[in-house]
Amino acid sequence: GAGVSQSPRYKVAKRGQDVALRCDPISGHVSLFWYQQALGQGPEFLTYFQNEAQLDKSGLPSDRFFAERPEGSVSTLKIQRTQQEDSAVYLCASSFASTNDSPLHFGNGTRLTVT
Amino acid sequence: QKEVEQNSGPLSVPEGAIASLNCTYSDRGSQSFFWYRQYSGKSPELIMFIYSNGDKEDGRFTAQLNKASQYVSLLIRDSQPSDSATYLCAVNMDTGRRALTFGSGTRLQVQP
Repeated sequence: GAGVSQSPRYKVAKRGQDVALRCDPISGHVSLFWYQQALGQGPEFLTYFQNEAQLDKSGLPSDRFFAERPEGSVSTLKIQRTQQEDSAVYLCASSFASTNDSPLHFGNGTRLTVT
Repeated sequence: QKEVEQNSGPLSVPEGAIASLNCTYSDRGSQSFFWYRQYSGKSPELIMFIYSNGDKEDGRFTAQLNKASQYVSLLIRDSQPSDSATYLCAVNMDTGRRALTFGSGTRLQVQP
């Protein structure tokens, strides 16, 4: 596709359930990022992949959060035992290069609501 | 203290006026600066990026960077109602990492 694709677009989970969020980056993009955006706030960094290597996971808020990109393309963000504070929009972004001046292209996000 | 600060607004300007959006950052070693526009319910989209002190112009948009004052701004000339959105300032605060630190955004309203 032409842009970053995320699915599902909306997810409602009961507290304690596990969820998996998928990201299809732009074809050929080396770098992939996950961000969390709470209502009225800017995106907060979660984790970064360069190809299949997870080079930075310093933003993951707890060990309930896990991300993978096994073949250097599609990525999955998994949240175990969801809590209400996990409710947010989860944004995936990709960039062509691995340098800091390579702009990010965001997907439309997955809005997670934990009830 | 938040590392990237923006006035939340709303900033209201009449159609055709210049909108001035400001951002300060805490890390003096920051090197890369980005402005994203986010419409309600949509994802952020890149407007401008700037790496060197001074001004950078692209159409109706001008980004200004002053590293000594740790200040970056975005000017929008001839503002249009379609410019009404939240504008997010993002900074790469550590050249050893790819992560961007975003401000909370400034909501701009352009009144027709």
